[in-house]
Amino acid sequence: AQSVTQLGSHVSVSEGALVLLRCNYSSSVPPYLFWYVQYPNQGLQLLLKYTSAATLVKGINGFEAEFKKSETSFHLTKPSAHMSDAAEYFCAVKRAGANSKLTFGKGITLSVRP
Amino acid sequence: NAGVTQTPKFQVLKTGQSMTLQCAQDMNHEYMSWYRQDPGMGLRLIHYSVGAGITDQGEVPNGYNVSRSTTEDFPLRLLSAAPSQTSVYFCASTPKRTTPTGELFFGEGSRLTVL
Repeated sequence: AQSVTQLGSHVSVSEGALVLLRCNYSSSVPPYLFWYVQYPNQGLQLLLKYTSAATLVKGINGFEAEFKKSETSFHLTKPSAHMSDAAEYFCAVKRAGANSKLTFGKGITLSVRP
Repeated sequence: NAGVTQTPKFQVLKTGQSMTLQCAQDMNHEYMSWYRQDPGMGLRLIHYSVGAGITDQGEVPNGYNVSRSTTEDFPLRLLSAAPSQTSVYFCASTPKRTTPTGELFFGEGSRLTVL
């Protein structure tokens, strides 16, 4: 079985502040891990993914995430928040294998204050 | 590129009515899926298909039917709508063989309200 835990449902930061969105996973085998972003009234789009190569993964719009096996974590960070980062963020986990299904966390809403 | 196209974007139904949410992709993706998104619940998988003629149930399949007669299309049918099916529905696809790491391409969603 696999699962993802995103603690909290809402994070608020000031523009220019550090963004940290937490994700912990549970998987019986080494997983693939993803962060997706959903802007208002849109579908989800991929921010970044971990596929067992480098543990520090860089994505679009200045976001990055670090895979920490010992902590079973894949937290998303961005050094300086921008107003356009306001969105809902989903962490997701998938076991290796083409037919393995993606399991999503409940999502975190990021608000950015001027 | 059109990508994944969902219709309709908005729909209001009465309890007991049936309808079909359409999903089409023009990327020749083998794998297609339907999710529903509810506040505080994240995305939950309803049904999925690994290729034409093959479908399977996801996490929350009750009350929904799917078929996959072509690679491009994957319609979702609500047989007898219930208020609990009020949700935003997303169709997603991935080219199974070339991206086993599972990146999904999403449509823009269909917002369904059942009165």
